[in-house]
Amino acid sequence: NAGVTQTPKFQVLKTGQSMTLQCAQDMNHEYMSWYRQDPGMGLRLIHYSVGAGITDQGEVPNGYNVSRSTTEDFPLRLLSAAPSQTSVYFCASSYRQGRGYTFGSGTRLTVV
Amino acid sequence: AQRVTQPEKLLSVFKGAPVELKCNYSYSGSPELFWYVQYSRQRLQLLLRHISRESIKGFTADLNKGETSFHLKKPFAQEEDSAMYYCALVSGTYKYIFGTGTRLKVLA
Repeated sequence: NAGVTQTPKFQVLKTGQSMTLQCAQDMNHEYMSWYRQDPGMGLRLIHYSVGAGITDQGEVPNGYNVSRSTTEDFPLRLLSAAPSQTSVYFCASSYRQGRGYTFGSGTRLTVV
Repeated sequence: AQRVTQPEKLLSVFKGAPVELKCNYSYSGSPELFWYVQYSRQRLQLLLRHISRESIKGFTADLNKGETSFHLKKPFAQEEDSAMYYCALVSGTYKYIFGTGTRLKVLA
């Protein structure tokens, strides 16, 4: 099992550009989430999904879109990048409540 | 409001000294709590979950419902324990609420 795979690992964007952060898991996990990690703020939930076709907003959803067309994939789209979106993004998945998340290796995004 | 509080941003201890990383939570209901560890520039890894009451790498954590705490403890710190530690709470079915993290530095 590859676990949770995130691509790319690093990305630099110009303000206003759009891009998609990819996340895939091969563990048949129902639950998938996107977090951003910022110094002094811990991890903040952006969007999450409880299964294919079902997504919902987390704590900081503005400026991001998600979709879940398959169980395996949960891409995060930045619609129009802003410097405030400079962060490390983590995708995570979980089989069910109480098992804990499996995290991807992260995407370090810089918006200039 | 559901919240996880880690009051210390940085905790420095000497090798061989005991370690206690504090975690307090606010949650109406029966909480499910976890500790995650992140070594330098790596992904977060699940360290402990309170349901299993296990000991990983010498770390233990006990849920104290009276004090609403889930402190992480280790009797003798090792240099390889230096990392960022996050306490997390499961809210509802699967939404995790993370604390802001504590950086542990173990000094030689």
